[in-house]
Amino acid sequence: DAGVIQSPRHEVTEMGQEVTLRCKPISGHNSLFWYRQTMMRGLELLIYFNNNVPIDDSGMPEDRFSAKMPNASFSTLKIQPSEPRDSAVYFCASSPGPSTEAFFGQGTRLTVV
Amino acid sequence: KQEVTQIPAALSVPEGENLVLNCSFTDSAIYNLQWFRQDPGKGLTSLLLIQSSQREQTSGRLNASLDKSSGRSTLYIAASQPGDSATYLCAARSNDYKLSFGAGTTVTVRA
Repeated sequence: DAGVIQSPRHEVTEMGQEVTLRCKPISGHNSLFWYRQTMMRGLELLIYFNNNVPIDDSGMPEDRFSAKMPNASFSTLKIQPSEPRDSAVYFCASSPGPSTEAFFGQGTRLTVV
Repeated sequence: KQEVTQIPAALSVPEGENLVLNCSFTDSAIYNLQWFRQDPGKGLTSLLLIQSSQREQTSGRLNASLDKSSGRSTLYIAASQPGDSATYLCAARSNDYKLSFGAGTTVTVRA
C-alpha cells in the first residue's frame, strides 16, 4: 500500500481565498483524522471520522473550516475564507479502527499570504 | 482533557550513547500509546504502539515501556547513531478515540 496520500504537498494562497486539502487513507482503514501542526501549538486534532461519519469536530477552530468524507477512500478539509493565521502543516492520518495504530500522510504545508 | 508532556524538549548526545525519552499523560484511561518519529519537513512515522494491557514493546534498537497507572511511557534507543537525529513524539489514545500528542523531544546525535 502507498500509505496515506495527501495533496497538494504545498499550497500558497491569498487571504480570503478558498483552500481545499485532500486525503486518501490506507485502503481498509475505517478511521480518518485531520491534524494541524504549528510551532506554537504543536499537533492539534481538528476532526475525526469513523466509517465515513464525523465523530468529533470539536477541534475545528471556526466555521471557516469544514471537512467531508464522501466515501471510504477520500476526505477533504476546506477553509473558506482563508486567513494568514491558518498557515500550518495539515496532516491526515488513518487507522484500521478508532483505537488502533495510526498512520500519517506527508502533510500539506499551507501558506496564506 | 488528556494532556501529554514530553521531557526534555531537546537532547544532544554523542554517537553510541543510549537515549532515554520520557512521556507523561494525565488521564490513565487510554487504549494505547504510540511513539512517532518526525524528520524536518516530513510526516510522522510510527515507531511503536503499546496497548494499554502491555508493559513494553520492542523493535530493533527501540524499546518502549508503559506504566499506565502512573501515566508514564519511556522510549529507549540503544547505541544511538547520527541517523537517529529527529523529533520523537508520543501520543496517547484516549477512550474517546482521540490521539493526543506531546510537543516532542528533538534529538541530535553527534558523530
